[in-house]
Amino acid sequence: DGGITQSPKYLFRKEGQNVTLSCEQNLNHDAMYWYRQDPGQGLRLIYYSQIVNDFQKGDIAEGYSVSREKKESFPLTVTSAQKNPTAFYLCAIRQGDTQYFGPGTRLTVL
Amino acid sequence: AQSVTQLDSHVSVSEGTPVLLRCNYSSSYSPSLFWYVQHPNKGLQLLLKYTSAATLVKGINGFEAEFKKSETSFHLTKPSAHMSDAAEYFCVVSRGGGADGLTFGKGTHLIIQP
Repeated sequence: DGGITQSPKYLFRKEGQNVTLSCEQNLNHDAMYWYRQDPGQGLRLIYYSQIVNDFQKGDIAEGYSVSREKKESFPLTVTSAQKNPTAFYLCAIRQGDTQYFGPGTRLTVL
Repeated sequence: AQSVTQLDSHVSVSEGTPVLLRCNYSSSYSPSLFWYVQHPNKGLQLLLKYTSAATLVKGINGFEAEFKKSETSFHLTKPSAHMSDAAEYFCVVSRGGGADGLTFGKGTHLIIQP
């Protein structure tokens, strides 16, 4: 969806470093989500936020953190505590009962 | 609890022939069901969704899916495959019941032979 942007498209980090992935939306939606995708797997929910200044853990929150200080922004930090961070990360917004996804960020840990 | 099973990890068809991607689900609530498509290194694009209206749902690019409650299935079909249909397809169920997020199947990789 053109109203959801994720940056950067590709990200490389060294082991032991924290890294923050950006997700921005100009669609004025309250609910935002972060998913992780691994090869041959469906998406798994990391964190979600239904309103500014509030967020909830998903199924695989360990080693990740988020903030929601502004409605349009929901950044995800991958911390050094995440054991296997190499993956494709997708951000989504919800409109009604439907989620729409950003283009994704591919994170590779060297 | 919700779960989704995509019965085939890979499907290969010839261009111009029908496509069938199979999906079974389980849900504690009346589910909303979705099919998404993902091209390599791209985000997911919504193909179609079922939300308890008509059981036959038409989507974009000629795809459609039929909700069969008795079989707990939501199979995706297309009468004639195009080369551009080659992608990963995900069947998804909403968690409903006040819980947020979606439950994804593991995906079906659709290969189109020329």
